[in-house]
Amino acid sequence: EIVMTQSPATLSVSPGERATLSCRASQSVSSHLAWYQQKPGQAPSLLIYDASTRATGIPARFSGNGSGTEFTLTISSLQSEDFAVYYCQQYNNWPPYTFGQGTKLGIK
Amino acid sequence: QVTLKESGPALVKPTQTLTLTCTFSGFSLSTSGMRVSWIRQPPGKALEWLARIDWDDDKFYSTSLRTRLAISKDTSKNQVVLTMTNMDPVDTATYYCARIPSGGHAFDLWGQGTMVTVSS
Repeated sequence: EIVMTQSPATLSVSPGERATLSCRASQSVSSHLAWYQQKPGQAPSLLIYDASTRATGIPARFSGNGSGTEFTLTISSLQSEDFAVYYCQQYNNWPPYTFGQGTKLGIK
Repeated sequence: QVTLKESGPALVKPTQTLTLTCTFSGFSLSTSGMRVSWIRQPPGKALEWLARIDWDDDKFYSTSLRTRLAISKDTSKNQVVLTMTNMDPVDTATYYCARIPSGGHAFDLWGQGTMVTVSS
Protein backbone atom coordinates (compact mmCIF):
# COMPACT_ATOMS: atom_id res chain seq x y z
CA GLU A 1 0.00 0.00 0.00
CA ILE A 2 1.32 3.45 -0.92
CA VAL A 3 1.51 5.84 2.03
CA MET A 4 0.84 9.51 1.33
CA THR A 5 2.42 12.01 3.73
CA GLN A 6 1.37 15.66 3.73
CA SER A 7 3.23 18.56 5.26
CA PRO A 8 2.77 20.67 7.17
CA ALA A 9 -0.19 19.40 9.16
CA THR A 10 -1.32 22.97 9.71
CA LEU A 11 -0.38 26.14 7.89
CA SER A 12 -1.31 29.69 8.79
CA VAL A 13 -1.20 32.26 6.00
CA SER A 14 -2.55 35.78 5.61
CA PRO A 15 -5.16 36.55 2.95
CA GLY A 16 -3.51 37.62 -0.28
CA GLU A 17 -0.34 35.68 0.45
CA ARG A 18 0.91 32.50 -1.20
CA ALA A 19 0.50 29.05 0.31
CA THR A 20 2.46 25.95 -0.63
CA LEU A 21 1.33 22.52 0.54
CA SER A 22 3.41 19.36 0.11
CA CYS A 23 2.56 15.72 -0.45
CA ARG A 24 5.02 12.84 -0.57
CA ALA A 25 4.35 9.28 -1.74
CA SER A 26 6.15 6.27 -0.27
CA GLN A 27 6.87 5.09 -3.81
CA SER A 28 6.45 6.58 -7.24
CA VAL A 29 2.89 7.33 -8.31
CA SER A 30 3.97 8.90 -11.62
CA SER A 31 1.59 11.85 -12.15
CA HIS A 32 -1.41 9.95 -10.84
CA LEU A 33 -2.19 12.33 -8.02
CA ALA A 34 -5.20 14.44 -7.10
CA TRP A 35 -5.80 17.27 -4.64
CA TYR A 36 -9.10 17.85 -2.86
CA GLN A 37 -10.41 20.73 -0.77
CA GLN A 38 -12.71 20.10 2.19
CA LYS A 39 -14.50 22.86 4.05
CA PRO A 40 -16.06 22.27 7.48
CA GLY A 41 -19.21 20.17 7.30
CA GLN A 42 -18.83 19.58 3.57
CA ALA A 43 -17.71 16.76 1.33
CA PRO A 44 -14.31 16.99 -0.34
CA SER A 45 -14.24 18.57 -3.79
CA LEU A 46 -11.75 17.91 -6.57
CA LEU A 47 -9.24 20.67 -7.26
CA ILE A 48 -6.43 19.10 -9.26
CA TYR A 49 -5.96 15.77 -11.04
CA ASP A 50 -3.06 14.20 -12.90
CA ALA A 51 -0.84 16.26 -10.56
CA SER A 52 -1.29 19.55 -12.40
CA THR A 53 -4.63 19.73 -14.25
CA ARG A 54 -7.24 21.94 -12.66
CA ALA A 55 -10.71 20.45 -12.40
CA THR A 56 -13.64 22.20 -14.05
CA GLY A 57 -14.35 25.60 -12.52
CA ILE A 58 -11.23 25.74 -10.34
CA PRO A 59 -9.61 29.20 -10.33
CA ALA A 60 -6.16 29.70 -11.84
CA ARG A 61 -4.72 30.68 -8.44
CA PHE A 62 -4.65 26.94 -7.66
CA SER A 63 -1.76 25.07 -9.27
CA GLY A 64 -0.30 21.62 -8.82
CA ASN A 65 3.17 20.39 -9.56
CA GLY A 66 5.35 17.33 -9.20
CA SER A 67 5.72 13.73 -10.30
CA GLY A 68 7.08 10.52 -8.90
CA THR A 69 7.06 10.94 -5.12
CA GLU A 70 7.06 14.69 -4.50
CA PHE A 71 4.09 16.98 -5.16
CA THR A 72 3.02 20.50 -4.28
CA LEU A 73 -0.22 22.44 -4.32
CA THR A 74 0.21 26.20 -4.53
CA ILE A 75 -2.45 28.80 -3.94
CA SER A 76 -1.03 32.01 -5.32
CA SER A 77 -3.10 34.64 -3.52
CA LEU A 78 -5.26 33.30 -0.73
CA GLN A 79 -8.90 34.27 -0.66
CA SER A 80 -11.13 33.91 2.39
CA GLU A 81 -12.91 30.93 0.82
CA ASP A 82 -9.62 29.02 0.43
CA PHE A 83 -9.17 28.37 4.14
CA ALA A 84 -9.96 24.68 4.42
CA VAL A 85 -8.36 21.25 4.72
CA TYR A 86 -6.54 19.91 1.67
CA TYR A 87 -5.94 16.23 0.89
CA CYS A 88 -3.76 14.56 -1.70
CA GLN A 89 -4.68 11.14 -3.12
CA GLN A 90 -2.85 8.70 -5.35
CA TYR A 91 -4.50 6.54 -8.00
CA ASN A 92 -1.41 4.93 -9.51
CA ASN A 93 -1.32 1.72 -7.45
CA TRP A 94 -4.72 0.50 -6.34
CA PRO A 95 -6.50 -1.00 -4.62
CA PRO A 96 -6.36 0.69 -2.31
CA TYR A 97 -6.58 4.31 -3.33
CA THR A 98 -4.80 6.20 -0.55
CA PHE A 99 -5.12 9.70 0.84
CA GLY A 100 -2.75 11.87 2.83
CA GLN A 101 -3.68 12.88 6.35
CA GLY A 102 -4.50 16.42 5.25
CA THR A 103 -3.14 19.94 5.66
CA LYS A 104 -5.33 22.44 7.47
CA LEU A 105 -4.90 25.88 5.96
CA GLY A 106 -5.87 28.59 8.45
CA ILE A 107 -5.97 32.34 8.58
CA LYS A 108 -2.92 34.05 10.09
CA GLN B 1 -26.76 18.17 -13.24
CA VAL B 2 -24.83 15.31 -11.66
CA THR B 3 -25.61 14.54 -8.03
CA LEU B 4 -24.98 11.73 -5.59
CA LYS B 5 -26.67 11.24 -2.25
CA GLU B 6 -26.00 8.74 0.48
CA SER B 7 -28.66 7.25 2.71
CA GLY B 8 -28.72 4.77 5.55
CA PRO B 9 -29.07 4.44 9.31
CA ALA B 10 -27.50 7.09 11.51
CA LEU B 11 -26.99 4.62 14.36
CA VAL B 12 -26.05 0.95 14.34
CA LYS B 13 -25.15 -1.38 17.18
CA PRO B 14 -21.83 -3.21 17.44
CA THR B 15 -21.78 -6.51 15.48
CA GLN B 16 -24.66 -5.38 13.26
CA THR B 17 -24.47 -5.07 9.48
CA LEU B 18 -24.54 -1.59 7.93
CA THR B 19 -26.27 -1.06 4.60
CA LEU B 20 -25.74 2.24 2.79
CA THR B 21 -27.28 3.35 -0.49
CA CYS B 22 -25.85 5.87 -2.93
CA THR B 23 -28.53 7.27 -5.23
CA PHE B 24 -27.22 9.26 -8.14
CA SER B 25 -28.55 11.25 -11.07
CA GLY B 26 -27.13 12.88 -14.16
CA PHE B 27 -25.10 9.88 -15.28
CA SER B 28 -25.51 6.17 -15.82
CA LEU B 29 -23.42 3.42 -14.29
CA SER B 30 -23.98 1.43 -17.46
CA THR B 31 -21.89 3.94 -19.40
CA SER B 32 -18.51 2.51 -20.32
CA GLY B 33 -15.79 3.69 -17.95
CA MET B 34 -18.08 4.97 -15.21
CA ARG B 35 -17.19 3.99 -11.64
CA VAL B 36 -18.53 4.70 -8.15
CA SER B 37 -16.61 4.36 -4.90
CA TRP B 38 -17.34 4.53 -1.19
CA ILE B 39 -15.01 6.53 1.04
CA ARG B 40 -15.29 7.19 4.77
CA GLN B 41 -13.98 9.76 7.21
CA PRO B 42 -13.96 9.29 11.00
CA PRO B 43 -14.64 12.51 12.92
CA GLY B 44 -11.62 14.81 12.68
CA LYS B 45 -9.60 12.27 10.70
CA ALA B 46 -8.51 11.62 7.15
CA LEU B 47 -10.29 9.98 4.25
CA GLU B 48 -10.22 6.21 3.77
CA TRP B 49 -11.22 4.51 0.52
CA LEU B 50 -13.45 1.46 0.97
CA ALA B 51 -14.69 0.01 -2.30
CA ARG B 52 -15.37 0.62 -5.98
CA ILE B 53 -17.80 -0.78 -8.51
CA ASP B 54 -17.45 -0.32 -12.25
CA TRP B 55 -19.86 -0.06 -15.19
CA ASP B 56 -19.02 -3.68 -16.10
CA ASP B 57 -19.68 -4.89 -12.52
CA ASP B 58 -16.01 -5.25 -11.62
CA LYS B 59 -15.57 -4.74 -7.88
CA PHE B 60 -12.58 -3.69 -5.80
CA TYR B 61 -12.16 -3.50 -2.04
CA SER B 62 -9.93 -2.06 0.65
CA THR B 63 -7.32 -4.67 1.51
CA SER B 64 -7.87 -4.30 5.25
CA LEU B 65 -11.68 -4.38 5.11
CA ARG B 66 -12.39 -6.67 2.19
CA THR B 67 -13.74 -9.52 4.32
CA ARG B 68 -16.42 -7.19 5.74
CA LEU B 69 -17.47 -5.28 2.62
CA ALA B 70 -19.77 -5.96 -0.30
CA ILE B 71 -20.63 -3.48 -3.05
CA SER B 72 -23.37 -3.85 -5.63
CA LYS B 73 -25.29 -1.76 -8.12
CA ASP B 74 -28.80 -1.46 -9.46
CA THR B 75 -28.40 0.30 -12.77
CA SER B 76 -32.14 0.65 -13.33
CA LYS B 77 -32.50 2.52 -10.04
CA ASN B 78 -29.24 4.49 -10.36
CA GLN B 79 -28.07 3.12 -7.03
CA VAL B 80 -24.94 1.65 -5.52
CA VAL B 81 -25.20 -0.25 -2.24
CA LEU B 82 -22.45 -0.91 0.28
CA THR B 83 -22.79 -3.40 3.10
CA MET B 84 -20.33 -3.63 5.96
CA THR B 85 -20.62 -6.49 8.42
CA ASN B 86 -19.66 -6.78 12.08
CA MET B 87 -19.73 -3.03 12.78
CA ASP B 88 -17.52 -1.70 15.57
CA PRO B 89 -17.32 1.70 17.28
CA VAL B 90 -14.14 2.42 15.29
CA ASP B 91 -16.30 2.35 12.15
CA THR B 92 -18.05 5.52 13.30
CA ALA B 93 -17.56 7.92 10.41
CA THR B 94 -19.13 9.96 7.65
CA TYR B 95 -19.55 7.71 4.63
CA TYR B 96 -19.33 9.26 1.15
CA CYS B 97 -19.98 7.93 -2.29
CA ALA B 98 -18.03 9.48 -5.14
CA ARG B 99 -17.85 9.14 -8.88
CA ILE B 100 -14.90 8.45 -11.16
CA PRO B 101 -15.99 9.54 -14.64
CA SER B 102 -15.33 7.75 -17.87
CA GLY B 103 -11.78 8.50 -18.98
CA GLY B 104 -10.84 9.89 -15.59
CA HIS B 105 -9.20 8.52 -12.48
CA ALA B 106 -9.92 11.00 -9.67
CA PHE B 107 -13.13 11.37 -7.68
CA ASP B 108 -14.72 14.25 -9.53
CA LEU B 109 -18.05 14.41 -7.72
CA TRP B 110 -19.01 13.46 -4.17
CA GLY B 111 -22.21 13.02 -2.26
CA GLN B 112 -22.86 15.10 0.85
CA GLY B 113 -22.05 12.16 3.09
CA THR B 114 -23.99 10.34 5.76
CA MET B 115 -22.82 10.11 9.36
CA VAL B 116 -22.96 6.66 10.92
CA THR B 117 -22.41 6.14 14.65
CA VAL B 118 -21.70 2.69 16.03
CA SER B 119 -22.80 2.43 19.63
CA SER B 120 -24.78 0.16 21.87
